[in-house]
Amino acid sequence: EAQVTQNPRYLITVTGKKLTVTCSQNMNHEYMSWYRQDPGLGLRQIYYSMNVEVTDKGDVPEGYKVSRKEKRNFPLILESPSPNQTSLYFCASSPDSPYEQYFGPGTRLTVT
Amino acid sequence: GENVEQHPSTLSVQEGDSAVIKCTYSDSASNYFPWYKQELGKRPQLIIDIRSNVGEKKDQRIAVTLNKTAKHFSLHITETQPEDSAVYFCAASGTGNQFYFGTGTSLTVIP
Repeated sequence: EAQVTQNPRYLITVTGKKLTVTCSQNMNHEYMSWYRQDPGLGLRQIYYSMNVEVTDKGDVPEGYKVSRKEKRNFPLILESPSPNQTSLYFCASSPDSPYEQYFGPGTRLTVT
Repeated sequence: GENVEQHPSTLSVQEGDSAVIKCTYSDSASNYFPWYKQELGKRPQLIIDIRSNVGEKKDQRIAVTLNKTAKHFSLHITETQPEDSAVYFCAASGTGNQFYFGTGTSLTVIP
């Protein structure tokens, strides 16, 4: 089954404790992206990747890192999480950037 | 960067009526305009999209129109049904491959 998966789905952590949210797709898609969703603000792009080893900043990249070492995986790294990074995070991929993006199920992150 | 504005933020319609959601964008280089539907607690799902070389696109009860000159595009849902109730997001993307979403419209279809 074609899908985008994210792990974990829910995470509660404390300020400053490094964490990684994984994203994987099995559709051989070139383009992958991370978004955060906050009430009243819609979805905002954090980082995106056109292909392996190619990543670019989105609209709100501060406090986040990404890597694209394999085509199927695009992890989101928070080196020192802060409470303002409490949000719902979505990973997405598409076969032809950035058209027709397929979203993962989301990761709800709470930083206390 | 691009700025996408979406209106209205909430919309209630009677079942069977039409619903229209409008978005404007600022970057004339934007050339791809999708619409996503997000049901409560679920992921956004692409329902229709349009590219800048087309003025209108239809898929059954859903249509999108694009006015490049005025830099706005709209989602039209006809013969609305209760299962159309959801939050709808417009988005725009241009030459930089960045993606910008509107702030969403919560549509309620009243049976």
